Amino acid sequence: AQTVTQSQPEMSVQEAETVTLSCTYDTSESDYYLFWYKQPPSRQMILVIRQEAYKQQNATENRFSVNFQKAAKSFSLKISDSQLGDAAMYFCAYRSAGTSGTYKYIFGTGTRLKVLA
Amino acid sequence: DVKVTQSSRYLVKRTGEKVFLECVQDMDHENMFWYRQDPGLGLRLIYFSYDVKMKEKGDIPEGYSVSREKKERFSLILESASTNQTSMYLCASSLGRRLTEAFFGQGTRLTVV
Repeated sequence: AQTVTQSQPEMSVQEAETVTLSCTYDTSESDYYLFWYKQPPSRQMILVIRQEAYKQQNATENRFSVNFQKAAKSFSLKISDSQLGDAAMYFCAYRSAGTSGTYKYIFGTGTRLKVLA
Repeated sequence: DVKVTQSSRYLVKRTGEKVFLECVQDMDHENMFWYRQDPGLGLRLIYFSYDVKMKEKGDIPEGYSVSREKKERFSLILESASTNQTSMYLCASSLGRRLTEAFFGQGTRLTVV
């Protein structure tokens, strides 16, 4: 069974600085997808960024980028120029790309990010 | 925009009550999911459905059942609510094809007293 591990329960970053959130996963599959979700105090889960495992190029979305290391099964999220609105709970998620039809998403335990003014 | 709507944002129920949490999505998604979110435990999958009337158990199905009679609606049922089911419940939906993310509802915070 696949697992997702986020070893940092809480992180802090100064406004305008850069922070990296860690995520590791375990799987025997070769084709899968990885996601980072943000959950602000409003509780609405928002997709931040996604990565296809067969793509070696790291995904980037504006100030958000990932460092995807497939061999190490690592998928970290880098937030550049941190803003107060980035304060939230961040979840790393895995989804199999298999054809069985069971497209369930497996989540880590989350990292709470605090942004200091 | 995809919209996933959960019927209640906050709910308080008594121990032993039968509780229904409703979720509706408006984008014709094949897959629907119910997760439970607890501090320090992240999101844990209770049940999911990949088609009408089809369901599969997730990691923590005990004490829960689900119903999907129509494609757009996925209901989570607590047969006899207990205090250890006090939690945040999140519904999500997704397309069945490659590389699509899950879209979430706003969550239902359930308190069982």
